[in-house]
Amino acid sequence: AQSVTQLDSQVPVFEEAPVELRCNYSSSVSVYLFWYVQYPNQGLQLLLKYLSGSTLVKGINGFEAEFNKSQTSFHLRKPSVHISDTAEYFCAVKGLDGGSQGNLIFGKGTKLSVKP
Amino acid sequence: GAGVSQTPSNKVTEKGKYVELRCDPISGHTALYWYRQSLGQGPEFLIYFQGTGAADDSGLPNDRFFAVRPEGSVSTLKIQRTERGDSAVYLCASSWTGDTEAFFGQGTRLTVV
Repeated sequence: AQSVTQLDSQVPVFEEAPVELRCNYSSSVSVYLFWYVQYPNQGLQLLLKYLSGSTLVKGINGFEAEFNKSQTSFHLRKPSVHISDTAEYFCAVKGLDGGSQGNLIFGKGTKLSVKP
Repeated sequence: GAGVSQTPSNKVTEKGKYVELRCDPISGHTALYWYRQSLGQGPEFLIYFQGTGAADDSGLPNDRFFAVRPEGSVSTLKIQRTERGDSAVYLCASSWTGDTEAFFGQGTRLTVV
């Protein structure tokens, strides 16, 4: 079984400042990793994903994340945030054993609040 | 269709009633997932279909919850004898296969009064 921990439930930050949203996972098998964003009153939208290859993954809207296998982390970063980045961000993991393949496990989410 | 469609967008029902929530996945997607998102929580896995069969239903909380996907496309989540604790946003997602990224619908907000 897999689990995801998002260490910060809320992250306030000023516009144009850098931000890091933390995500740690646990799994006994290899995993795929995802970050989703949920804007107010909207559905979940994929920001980026790690399947294999380069551990630094770039996504939409200037976000990137780095897969660190030894630390079982997949932190999300953006060098300069905008007001429009205000949303809730969810980290998710998918285990690659046959029994749970396809089943995305989500963290509890981090609310990013960008202030002018 | 262009995206995952869920109907209705909002549903208010009385405690004890039966409800059905519908999901139309992206055309051609073989994998379909149902999640439940309670206020302040991340999406909680309910059930995963690969084609017509439920590949993993370990997330269904009890036998009041049931889901079908008879033709491998549209899916219906059925909840019997609804309880106030069932109030949540029910999310549906689909993907080409179980290995690829999932695309989510806007969800159905279920309120049990």
